[in-house]
Amino acid sequence: GAGVSQSPSNKVTEKGKDVELRCDPISGHTALYWYRQSLGQGLEFLIYFQGNSAPDKSGLPSDRFSAERTGGSVSTLTIQRTQQEDSAVYLCASSLGLGDTQYFGPGTRLTVL
Amino acid sequence: AQKITQTQPGMFVQEKEAVTLDCTYDTSDQSYGLFWYKQPSSGEMIFLIYQGSYDEQNATEGRYSLNFQKARKSANLVISASQLGDSAMYFCAMREAHHTGANSKLTFGKGITLSVRP
Repeated sequence: GAGVSQSPSNKVTEKGKDVELRCDPISGHTALYWYRQSLGQGLEFLIYFQGNSAPDKSGLPSDRFSAERTGGSVSTLTIQRTQQEDSAVYLCASSLGLGDTQYFGPGTRLTVL
Repeated sequence: AQKITQTQPGMFVQEKEAVTLDCTYDTSDQSYGLFWYKQPSSGEMIFLIYQGSYDEQNATEGRYSLNFQKARKSANLVISASQLGDSAMYFCAMREAHHTGANSKLTFGKGITLSVRP
C-alpha cells in the first residue's frame, strides 16, 4: 500500500514569509508525528497527533510553528515569518496507534533565504 | 546527557561481510523501545528493526539483528552479508514508556554513516 507522502518535496522561501508543509499518513494510521532534521541539531521531535488532537506540543521551537490535523488524516505544519534557522528537512511519520512503529515520509526540504 | 549515543565515525565494510553499528542509550524507564532506521542519500527514513525492553530474545529481521544488552544499555545493529545498497546513514532511536502513548515520540542518535565497498 501507499506509504507516508509529503508535499512539497522542496520549498525555497524568503525570510519572513509563511510556509505550509503537508503530510498524508498511511491509510488507517491514527497517530502522526512531525520531526525536523538539520545539520546542527540532528533529528528532533516537533509534535504528534492522536486522531485530530495534539497532546504534546513541547517540541515546537517557537510560537511561529503550528500544526493541525483534520479528519484524522492529513496534517499541515505551518511556519510563520520564517527565519534562516528554520531551514531543515521536515519529516512526517505515522503509526497504526500510539506506541507502534513509526513509518516516515520522504520529507520536505525547506530553505529560507 | 545524551539519551542515545552513536559515537562511531564513518564505518566501512567489505561487501558480503558483517558489520556492527553501536548504540548506547540512557533512560530511567523500565519500559522502552529501541529502533534502528536507515536513511539512504534519497533522504527517506526506513524502519529496520525494533526491540522492546522486556523482550527476552534479540530481535532479528532478515539480515538485520539487534544485539540487545540491557545491563550495558546497548542496542547494537548487526548487518550480515553486507550489500552495496546498505550504504547509508543509520540511526538508533528510543521510545520511552513502551506501552504508554503519552511518550511515543522517538529520540534519535546522531547517526552513523556506513559505506559498503565492492
